[in-house]
Amino acid sequence: GAVVSQHPSWVICKSGTSVKIECRSLDFQATTMFWYRQFPKQSLMLMATSNEGSKATYEQGVEKDKFLINHASLTLSTLTVTSAHPEDSSFYICSASALGLAGVPYEQYFGPGTRLTVT
Amino acid sequence: ELKVEQNPLFLSMQEGKNYTIYCNYSTTSDRLYWYRQDPGKSLESLFVLLSNGAVKQEGRLMASLDTKARLSTLHITAAVHDLSATYFCAPDTDSSYKLIFGSGTRLLVRP
Repeated sequence: GAVVSQHPSWVICKSGTSVKIECRSLDFQATTMFWYRQFPKQSLMLMATSNEGSKATYEQGVEKDKFLINHASLTLSTLTVTSAHPEDSSFYICSASALGLAGVPYEQYFGPGTRLTVT
Repeated sequence: ELKVEQNPLFLSMQEGKNYTIYCNYSTTSDRLYWYRQDPGKSLESLFVLLSNGAVKQEGRLMASLDTKARLSTLHITAAVHDLSATYFCAPDTDSSYKLIFGSGTRLLVRP
């Protein structure tokens, strides 16, 4: 199956600093990447959808100026959490998919996740 | 807005028993996914259900999809401890193919 990697797998940062998380599709070209956030014992919440070469589409309630998403190539998307605060501590998971016939995307392949702790 | 309800939210069952997890969703969706998540880990894809009436089986797990009833089920047969995990269903939205996740069912299989 398709492989998606994330880096780093975990990160601790101080309040007020920014942290960047990378999501890479290793063996396919991902036309679309998705970013999710998961708090302990909760479900995954979609934060944003990014298509290569265009601006990300954010879900309602997600601050686009705080969570900067860049999808500069077909194999790399980045999520930057700016001015992080303790309430941003969470498990961030990306997924990637490619377009199939008639523009219908194939299934999403999930990365291993990045655990962010803001102190 | 697509809403997804899973039940039960928590399931404690004995090894060897059978049980079904239900996933109801509120609007039209032709594709539905089931995932497994172990503590501290990301998602593992279990099943992709692409059409009404689809049924897929892998080992002790069997998933089905009824798009008319907007219902999917994940049936566990003769549970074993290794199946202990959290299971999520996720239909995708027809128009944008975003996945909307259910709340998850935390399964604990006791010896």
